[in-house]
Amino acid sequence: AQRVTQPEKLLSVFKGAPVELKCNYSYSGSPELFWYVQYSRQRLQLLLRHISRESIKGFTADLNKGETSFHLKKPFAQEEDSAMYYCALSPLSGGYNKLIFGAGTRLAVHP
Amino acid sequence: ETGVTQTPRHLVMGMTNKKSLKCEQHLGHNAMYWYKQSAKKPLELMFVYNFKEQTENNSVPSRFSPECPNSSHLFLHLHTLQPEDSALYLCASSPDFGEPLHFGNGTRLTVT
Repeated sequence: AQRVTQPEKLLSVFKGAPVELKCNYSYSGSPELFWYVQYSRQRLQLLLRHISRESIKGFTADLNKGETSFHLKKPFAQEEDSAMYYCALSPLSGGYNKLIFGAGTRLAVHP
Repeated sequence: ETGVTQTPRHLVMGMTNKKSLKCEQHLGHNAMYWYKQSAKKPLELMFVYNFKEQTENNSVPSRFSPECPNSSHLFLHLHTLQPEDSALYLCASSPDFGEPLHFGNGTRLTVT
């Protein structure tokens, strides 16, 4: 079965501390992985995708096929990073993105 | 407005009512989606339309009826809903294969 697991509902850190939001997936093939973010009173939007291998707002995520993980990391958290973060998987088939989401992790960055 | 627009933002309906949710995108995308976001549950894919053709129905009850008259518009017709259908309904669109989804702000539905 295709599944995305985000084990932490809430991650609370202080400004300047490192952040790691965990994501594990279950999929037999080669998926495409994404991180979406929802800031307060804003729509859900793409943060980054694994095939881009780029850093967005200081966040990076590396796909580890051996551990079936796609953890989101940032070395120094900022207050404006406070938001809901969703990991998502898209099976590479069908001609469109059938995104399967995790339950989400709320990141709270305190001053 | 550019992007994905959903109306109404909030909707309260009784179990015997019939209502419709509307989604509109002017991004030139080929695929449109309905997702359901319930409290304490992950986002659930409901329907996918690709080039106006329904390509995915994720075991959604028939009291939810989607309609995609053209590639820019997507509707979700609601009738005889249950209180457990109360949720945030999100519309999204995407261009070609492998491209990310663009989401609307959602419609907050309350069934009384």
